Amino acid sequence: GAGVSQTPSNKVTEKGKYVELRCDPISGHTALYWYRQSLGQGPEFLIYFQGTGAADDSGLPNDRFFAVRPEGSVSTLKIQRTERGDSAVYLCASSLSGLRGGNTEAFFGQGTRLTVV
Amino acid sequence: ELKVEQNPLFLSMQEGKNYTIYCNYSTTSDRLYWYRQDPGKSLESLFVLLSNGAVKQEGRLMASLDTKARLSTLHITAAVHDLSATYFCAVPMNYGGSQGNLIFGKGTKLSVKP
Repeated sequence: GAGVSQTPSNKVTEKGKYVELRCDPISGHTALYWYRQSLGQGPEFLIYFQGTGAADDSGLPNDRFFAVRPEGSVSTLKIQRTERGDSAVYLCASSLSGLRGGNTEAFFGQGTRLTVV
Repeated sequence: ELKVEQNPLFLSMQEGKNYTIYCNYSTTSDRLYWYRQDPGKSLESLFVLLSNGAVKQEGRLMASLDTKARLSTLHITAAVHDLSATYFCAVPMNYGGSQGNLIFGKGTKLSVKP
């Protein structure tokens, strides 16, 4: 597609449920990033994929959060046993490769607004 | 640990006035990004500053980078209402290593009033 696509755009779930958020990066982009943005805050890094592997998952807050990118394109962020504190906008971004050297641009999707009630 | 700090966090300006937003970061980086975010929207790339002394301008916005001082500025000239948004600066983490994911400041919420 032309840009980074995230689905769903909105998700309301009950506390304790499991959710999956999907990110479809720009075609050909090997690097994919997940961020979480709480109201009034800057995006907070969660995980970075280079190809199929997680190059850095140091931002995942706990073991309820997990992300996969099995074929090196679409990624799914999975949250188990959701808590009200997980409510936020989850942003996905992609870039041609990691943001170093000659590669300079990261493009963001519209985000998924997750509300845990 | 890389920290990115912006100030001010809130800025109310009158149309036609000038102002500067500051972005400090705590570890070495040779590049810095500025993004704009409108309410309920995603992040729009404004500037990518790639070297010490880099200066870029787009309309009423001008961004600069001083890597020695670990400081970037976003200068607004003759503000107009359409510039009202939240502005974020971001720095790649672990530059020179295998990562490069961005660490963001808290953002500066700009409101331009007539």
